[in-house]
Amino acid sequence: EPEVTQTPSHQVTQMGQEVILRCVPISNHLYFYWYRQILGQKVEFLVSFYNNEISEKSEIFDDQFSVERPDGSNFTLKIRSTKLEDSAMYFCASSPRGRDQPQHFGDGTRLSIL
Amino acid sequence: SQQGEEDPQALSIQEGENATMNCSYKTSINNLQWYRQNSGRGLVHLILIRSNEREKHSGRLRVTLDTSKKSSSLLITASRAADTASYFCFMREAGSYQLTFGKGTKLSVIP
Repeated sequence: EPEVTQTPSHQVTQMGQEVILRCVPISNHLYFYWYRQILGQKVEFLVSFYNNEISEKSEIFDDQFSVERPDGSNFTLKIRSTKLEDSAMYFCASSPRGRDQPQHFGDGTRLSIL
Repeated sequence: SQQGEEDPQALSIQEGENATMNCSYKTSINNLQWYRQNSGRGLVHLILIRSNEREKHSGRLRVTLDTSKKSSSLLITASRAADTASYFCFMREAGSYQLTFGKGTKLSVIP
């Protein structure tokens, strides 16, 4: 069964550095998402992406964050000038159609900011 | 309450027993979904119930939705040790693009 893959599984970065988290969504899916989960807290929506542009974003998704689909398969989340509070699990998800459809999640990237 | 509050926060049962988790929400929704998360893994979609549905079944799962009370419940019957995981409700507010997960119920099924 096709699945969403995320790399790396664990990223350790110095505070202030830029980090890029990578995701390969399921190939025939059209909607892509990023979420984060701070340790011990609930999963929070960051951004959704459709037709090569951001369709929705949460208050968390400020100018520090950006997303890109650089080619036909990858979907990336870039965090500029990382802060300690950016430490979290970051999940990518995709769905075949709209945002009210079931989403398929990757196993996440654990981001640790030192 | 917050959009997407679940109770209990943690639930421990014996294998074979039923497990019930509840989710309450604040505003009108289009549909409500339940996801499961094993420790250290991504979320797996379990079931979706639309706002015009009251009950839905999938295998050992039964989901109810009461839009008048703004609440949903997930029942897992005849639980197994492999059901040990965290369970989250997930919703989108009607007329909004904001997607919200509940805080989750951590279920432990003891063999």
